[in-house]
Amino acid sequence: RKEVEQDPGPFNVPEGATVAFNCTYSNSASQSFFWYRQDCRKEPKLLMSVYSSGNEDGRFTAQLNRASQYISLLIRDSKLSDSATYLCVVCAGGNEKLTFGTGTRLTIIP
Amino acid sequence: NAGVTQTPKFQVLKTGQSMTLQCAQDMNHEYMSWYRQDPGMGLRLIHYSVGAGITDQGEVPNGYNVSRSTTEDFPLRLLSAAPSQTSVYFCASREQVMTEAFFGQGTRLTVV
Repeated sequence: RKEVEQDPGPFNVPEGATVAFNCTYSNSASQSFFWYRQDCRKEPKLLMSVYSSGNEDGRFTAQLNRASQYISLLIRDSKLSDSATYLCVVCAGGNEKLTFGTGTRLTIIP
Repeated sequence: NAGVTQTPKFQVLKTGQSMTLQCAQDMNHEYMSWYRQDPGMGLRLIHYSVGAGITDQGEVPNGYNVSRSTTEDFPLRLLSAAPSQTSVYFCASREQVMTEAFFGQGTRLTVV
């Protein structure tokens, strides 16, 4: 089993729709969780950190479920500019290592 | 504030050649890492450093060397390039272990 697993997609979603991604992780000792966005041929950029209580940033909502070992990302009212690959990133404290999922590709269709 | 700066952005090497990928950060971060990104495999950790003078291997270290003589710089050396090292390389830095990583713009390396 991979340490961090994501559905690779692609997700093709009409503009204005709501889309959700899940990401599962295998290490129950994981302590930090992030969603990154990566545009084609660019570097990953932090979209948002994921906190235990869940957190929201504008149209984006992230949730953490420690019991089931997954994190989720919800995008509401999707925009054309949301088209990108979304990377799930997990850190298990103590070994300095960030583990990346392979990413979920999202395309917003006009 | 430049963040993380990587050079070069593109490079073509012949098999057997050596080169150094440069990475510098101006955020005074202790933690720096090198990753390679290949299609369908996500980012894989090559080497990392938790501070000046301290480096360690990641999951795919073979064929690469690193050093960390200063907090700011973390160069990655390819000792004898092989076609299997064709990839996109990213340098990243973090303030602390559990905080988010900031990435450089990447180096697209092709080994022929």
